[in-house]
Amino acid sequence: IQLTQSPSSLSASVGDRVTITCRASQGISNYLAWYQQKPGIAPKLLIYAASTLHSGVPSRFSGSGSGTDFTLTISSLLPEDFATYYCQQLDTFPLTFGGGTKVEIK
Amino acid sequence: QLQLVQSGAEVEKPGASVKISCKASGYTFTMYFIHWVRQAPGQGLEWVGMINPRGGSPTYAQNFQGRVTMTRDTSTSTVSLELSSLRSEDTAVYYCARAGTYWFDPWGQGTLVTVSS
Repeated sequence: IQLTQSPSSLSASVGDRVTITCRASQGISNYLAWYQQKPGIAPKLLIYAASTLHSGVPSRFSGSGSGTDFTLTISSLLPEDFATYYCQQLDTFPLTFGGGTKVEIK
Repeated sequence: QLQLVQSGAEVEKPGASVKISCKASGYTFTMYFIHWVRQAPGQGLEWVGMINPRGGSPTYAQNFQGRVTMTRDTSTSTVSLELSSLRSEDTAVYYCARAGTYWFDPWGQGTLVTVSS
């Protein structure tokens, strides 16, 4: 299953609302997770089951979608949110990841 | 606390093999699968395969079939990944991660494997 993330990169300012999309090549129900990765550090889980916020993750992060189309939204960007975000499908082997979306400071 | 701690960086020559480890702590080792994911320099995430700490055959991504072996040691709560016939394209950071039905969490800190003559 291919996961297509868009955009591949974006520039935004602190306080902006940011939306990242992830499209699956076939239906995956809600078997989708979102991760945040900063340079030199392992990915960290943000959202699982498409819309469930992982423990300890700030509520400005939210996820939605089901089937083939998913979104990750950051309601108001903070400086620590500048990072690369990946979606992952856990529906079918081989497990796959989206290509990533790099969120940069404008 | 809940964590996965991986072994240190490795440098290997093309054609050689490398074995890296991932030690779990802070939870019941046999309750969760462990997956391996790699990330080449400046690139995205690639799933390598998974192992059930309770036993049974591991599942490997087709790209690595025949070159990868995953094992587990329940006495030390450790899983290992061995990759053989190394080539330059295998240069990457290799991560282990604990898996639930819908998530990977936590991830190990990563192990850099460099393949260079």
